[in-house]
Amino acid sequence: AQSVAQPEDQVNVAEGNPLTVKCTYSVSGNPYLFWYVQYPNRGLQFLLKYITGDNLVKGSYGFEAEFNKSQTSFHLKKPSALVSDSALYFCAVTGRRALTFGSGTRLQVQP
Amino acid sequence: DGGITQSPKYLFRKEGQNVTLSCEQNLNHDAMYWYRQDPGQGLRLIYYSQIVNDFQKGDIAEGYSVSREKKESFPLTVTSAQKNPTAFYLCASSIDSRPTDGYTFGSGTRLTVV
Repeated sequence: AQSVAQPEDQVNVAEGNPLTVKCTYSVSGNPYLFWYVQYPNRGLQFLLKYITGDNLVKGSYGFEAEFNKSQTSFHLKKPSALVSDSALYFCAVTGRRALTFGSGTRLQVQP
Repeated sequence: DGGITQSPKYLFRKEGQNVTLSCEQNLNHDAMYWYRQDPGQGLRLIYYSQIVNDFQKGDIAEGYSVSREKKESFPLTVTSAQKNPTAFYLCASSIDSRPTDGYTFGSGTRLTVV
């Protein structure tokens, strides 16, 4: 069965510094991978996806993610964090029935 | 604008009461999903429907029921058999059952047992 792990419950970064939110996956076959962001009491918003092709995927709001097949990872990155990036981030992988989500990582960007 | 509408935003349930959460989409998507979100546990799949008049159990279907009589609508009923229903419930849809485009989510319903 497919699974996703987000090893960090929370990531703290200063505004203007680069940020990384980690995600590893386990799936049979080729994975379809996604990142979503959630603001308080809201639904999830799509950030980016990896289906095939280039390992570096660019998405919304300046975010990007690097697919690494050998390490089964799909880490989310941004070169310069903003206070407004503070939110809950979810990694997800396509499964047999539906998307399987990680437990989420709370990103806190300090001014 | 196309999207998914969940209602109500907040819902309070008394012990032993059934409640129904509404989910409507105007995206012409075939597939719809219900997830439950609890702090620190991410999203867990309750039910999903890949086509009208068909739906399947997810990982935590006990105590829940759904229907899919129309393409646009996928209501979730939380029954009295669900012993711990307090959670944030999210409805989502995708173009088809092979979600290479990912999901579109509603804004969620927060259910509290009183």
